[in-house]
Amino acid sequence: ETGVTQSPTHLIKTRGQQVTLRCSSQSGHNTVSWYQQALGQGPQFIFQYYREEENGRGNFPPRFSGLQFPNYSSELNVNALELDDSALYLCASSGGQGRLYTFGSGTRLTVV
Amino acid sequence: GDSVTQMEGPVTLSEEAFLTINCTYTATGYPSLFWYVQYPGEGLQLLLKATKADDKGSNKGFEATYRKETTSFHLEKGSVQVSDSAVYFCALVDPNNAGNMLTFGGGTRLMVKP
Repeated sequence: ETGVTQSPTHLIKTRGQQVTLRCSSQSGHNTVSWYQQALGQGPQFIFQYYREEENGRGNFPPRFSGLQFPNYSSELNVNALELDDSALYLCASSGGQGRLYTFGSGTRLTVV
Repeated sequence: GDSVTQMEGPVTLSEEAFLTINCTYTATGYPSLFWYVQYPGEGLQLLLKATKADDKGSNKGFEATYRKETTSFHLEKGSVQVSDSAVYFCALVDPNNAGNMLTFGGGTRLMVKP
């Protein structure tokens, strides 16, 4: 079975721009979560999608938004990028409430 | 809110030394506890877990016991190898939180020298 795949692996954006990150969940998983990991820190929960609906959100501003598609893949969109948005963005999928998460390798975003 | 506190690193050990990484937590509910490992340039891999008090999670020689009375979940290994060099994260899932979110500690970098 395939794991969680994220694209792109790296990208560089300019402050004020918008970015879209993509995640393909593991086969059979219907729940996708996104985390932001700043350099040298632990991951912070952004939000989670279950069957195309957001069902939990961390302490992130509205310029962080997401989508989940019928095939359970997901996008993370960030508008009006700030320098502090530079981080590793991790996607994790699971088979539902109480099930274990599988993490992707992440997208390294650098905002200059 | 919930939080996880880990000992700060880096922790530098010689091969075959004993490892302990301390982890304590606060949670409003009765959490499940996890240890994840992150190798350079990679995402997170689940190392072990425990879902109730006195449970012991174990995997690849690593162990951690869920201690409700001390709200701790310390990671131990009897004999570390160079290949264990990585960053280790303690985490919890609190059933009182929407979205089944993971709350992570800040991570502890382990460096094992030959």
